[in-house]
Amino acid sequence: GNSVTQMEGPVTLSEEAFLTINCTYTATGYPSLFWYVQYPGEGLQLLLKATKADDKGSNKGFEATYRKETTSFHLEKGSVQVSDSAVYFCALTSYQGAQKLVFGQGTRLTINP
Amino acid sequence: GAVVSQHPSRVICKSGTSVKIECRSLDFQATTMFWYRQFPKQSLMLMATSNEGSKATYEQGVEKDKFLINHASLTLSTLTVTSAHPEDSSFYICSARDQGVHTEAFFGQGTRLTVV
Repeated sequence: GNSVTQMEGPVTLSEEAFLTINCTYTATGYPSLFWYVQYPGEGLQLLLKATKADDKGSNKGFEATYRKETTSFHLEKGSVQVSDSAVYFCALTSYQGAQKLVFGQGTRLTINP
Repeated sequence: GAVVSQHPSRVICKSGTSVKIECRSLDFQATTMFWYRQFPKQSLMLMATSNEGSKATYEQGVEKDKFLINHASLTLSTLTVTSAHPEDSSFYICSARDQGVHTEAFFGQGTRLTVV
């Protein structure tokens, strides 16, 4: 079945540092890939998405590129801010997976001033 | 972006009572709604998928008689935790999406359920 694996957290960085959160996936067919962010006590918000190979999703300075050859969708940001502190979830969905969103385990990110 | 409203955001109930959580899509028709449960510092566990006008599809290991899901309209789904016990205490999150695998799912704010 479909699955998503994220780098284990927690991740702690200083403000303005470069961020990478690794995400790899296993899926049949051609999945769509997503990054969601969850702030404390809240639901999830879509951060960015990519629906086909080589697509790059971007939003709020975050980027991720759909790499089919390495089955990866790593999240990057060049200069993080304290307000980026949250839990980040990589996810995928596919027709073969009955369109269910399959989540990675989440990575807690803390940015110190 | 589209808005999904989940209510209540927090609820405390006594053991043995039932609690209903509502999930509404405010500006789009949600063909499919999903209910998740999230334990502290863990990922989301899909409980069930509901399509408007039909019975919900429960994931393996989820008791359908305990977690009643109703999706009576294209904008409203409800989750009722029946005869709640302390082990049901958790963060419950709904999400809604229109048709199509490439469309994003929009999430409610979540409901913190505490059973005492």
